[in-house]
Amino acid sequence: QKEVEQDPGPLSVPEGAIVSLNCTYSNSAFQYFMWYRQYSRKGPELLMYTYSSGNKEDGRFTAQVDKSSKYISLFIRDSQPSDSATYLCAMSSGADSGNTPLVFGKGTRLSVIA
Amino acid sequence: NAGVTQTPKFRILKIGQSMTLQCTQDMNHNYMYWYRQDPGMGLKLIYYSVGAGITDKGEVPNGYNVSRSTTEDFPLRLELAAPSQTSVYFCASSYITSGAQETQYFGPGTRLLVL
Repeated sequence: QKEVEQDPGPLSVPEGAIVSLNCTYSNSAFQYFMWYRQYSRKGPELLMYTYSSGNKEDGRFTAQVDKSSKYISLFIRDSQPSDSATYLCAMSSGADSGNTPLVFGKGTRLSVIA
Repeated sequence: NAGVTQTPKFRILKIGQSMTLQCTQDMNHNYMYWYRQDPGMGLKLIYYSVGAGITDKGEVPNGYNVSRSTTEDFPLRLELAAPSQTSVYFCASSYITSGAQETQYFGPGTRLLVL
């Protein structure tokens, strides 16, 4: 089993839809969870991060972490064509746990159709 | 701040040629990374460095070498280019301290084609 699993899509939705992106993981030591957004032919950029379990909201974006199920989600409300990108989840155990590098999912390609 | 810069943006190599991909960051970050990204395969860690003079292998180090003589620079060397090294290469950096979460900042990437 891979350490981080992410459905690669592609996912195509109409403008205004609610989008749900998900990752599962196997390492129970992970406690920092991030979502990166990557536009075509660009480098990834940090979109959201969450420490441990819980929710975090930033505008139209909500990140959720369920450590008991080893499952994280990113929700995008009122999706816009400008949200069309590849979304990568990433996670780590943190500097206090030996600081292994971030582990990335393969990314989900999202297209929002106007 | 320019952030993380990479050169060149694009390069075509012949099999067996060598080249160095340059990466520089101006954020005084202690950690630096090299990834390769193949279509549909996500980011694979090649090498990383926790500070000047210290490097370590990632998931796919074969065929590559790195050095870190300064905090700012982290070049990636391909000695004998092979078609399997055709990919997009991303350099990233982060500042990690005890108890802090890690945010990696990525460069714009170098597209490499080996023919």
